[in-house]
Amino acid sequence: QKEVEQDPGPLSVPEGAIVSLNCTYSNSAFQYFMWYRQYSRKGPELLMYTYSSGNKEDGRFTAQVDKSSKYISLFIRDSQPSDSATYLCAMSEGQAGTALIFGKGTTLSVSS
Amino acid sequence: EAGVAQSPRYKIIEKRQSVAFWCNPISGHATLYWYQQILGQGPKLLIQFQNNGVVDDSQLPKDRFSAERLKGVDSTLKIQPAKLEDSAVYLCASRPTSGVHGTQYFGPGTRLTVL
Repeated sequence: QKEVEQDPGPLSVPEGAIVSLNCTYSNSAFQYFMWYRQYSRKGPELLMYTYSSGNKEDGRFTAQVDKSSKYISLFIRDSQPSDSATYLCAMSEGQAGTALIFGKGTTLSVSS
Repeated sequence: EAGVAQSPRYKIIEKRQSVAFWCNPISGHATLYWYQQILGQGPKLLIQFQNNGVVDDSQLPKDRFSAERLKGVDSTLKIQPAKLEDSAVYLCASRPTSGVHGTQYFGPGTRLTVL
């Protein structure tokens, strides 16, 4: 079993839809949870960051962490064609600078 | 603020040849990472530097891969000899000393094709 599991998709939705992206993990020592967005032929960029369990909202994006279920989610409201990208979940055990463990990424396509 | 620079952007080589990638992190970032991203996969850490010292190289195939970060700034990743399975995008990332944990700034990557 991989440390981080993520459905690669692809996921196709119409503009304005609510998108739900998810990851599960097996390492209970993970404390820091991130979502990175990667456009084609670009490097990943940090989208959302959450420490431990709970929710975090930033504009149209909401990140949720449920440590008891070892499950994290990213919700995108009012999706736009510009949201079309690959979304990578990433996690780390802690300590500043600790290496990140990434999921495979979910490819999202938002059609206008 | 200039981003992480990488070169070359693309490289095609024959198997058993050698290749080197270069990375210039964001100015002042003490931590530098090299990741390997195989098509359809997430990035996998190869090596992490703190200034010019190695923090984690546990997943670096040391029989063929080597990396250095002279003077704690630029870094070079080398593969010698290359194998077909080394075809991937090699991403360099850097991290500031302070700031949100997990924030890594990635370069555009070098896409390597081994024939």
